[in-house]
Amino acid sequence: KNEVEQSPQNLTAQEGEFITINCSYSVGISALHWLQQHPGGGIVSLFMLSSGKKKHGRLIATINIQEKHSSLHITASHPRDSAVYICAASALGKSSGDKLTFGTGTRLAVRP
Amino acid sequence: ETGVTQTPRHLVMGMTNKKSLKCEQHLGHNAMYWYKQSAKKPLELMFVYNFKEQTENNSVPSRFSPECPNSSHLFLHLHTLQPEDSALYLCASSQEGSVVGRYSSYEQYFGPGTRLTVT
Repeated sequence: KNEVEQSPQNLTAQEGEFITINCSYSVGISALHWLQQHPGGGIVSLFMLSSGKKKHGRLIATINIQEKHSSLHITASHPRDSAVYICAASALGKSSGDKLTFGTGTRLAVRP
Repeated sequence: ETGVTQTPRHLVMGMTNKKSLKCEQHLGHNAMYWYKQSAKKPLELMFVYNFKEQTENNSVPSRFSPECPNSSHLFLHLHTLQPEDSALYLCASSQEGSVVGRYSSYEQYFGPGTRLTVT
């Protein structure tokens, strides 16, 4: 069992829909990262959070440390949001240098 | 050039070849990472360098040999690879603190990756 689990694995939505992607982790973390990977491979960091909630444009990320759960929400989805969304947990108490454990990703397709 | 660059973007090599992947970051960061992304598997951390010192080797086979001559450049030397090593290899960088045992994480900036095919 992977230490970081995401659901769903695949998601198809109609343009304008509200989207939620979930991430559960089983390790103690110092932070939870949400990443976006477009076709071709490039990865962009969307959020890094260790508590509460962060918002950037139409994207919202929340985390519940007690429940070891994080969600990524996309409001008013658009076809350009189509990508793979990956959550990654940064382990606690490590030596210098960040060691991330990744989920398998959620492939999102937004139809016009 | 800005951000994190990787060369080559695509590489096809035979199992007896020796090749190198190059990563360069123009962000002034002091930590650099190599990741492997195989089809239908999560991203896997391979190596971490912090202030040019290797701080993590995630049980990577010796046919992969990293080199970090300075904080801006990271190489991955490849030799006698296997077909199962075919994957997307991603480099990333971040600005890390230098305190051992710190309890914080830093945003990572990724390069576009090198798509490697081993024949």
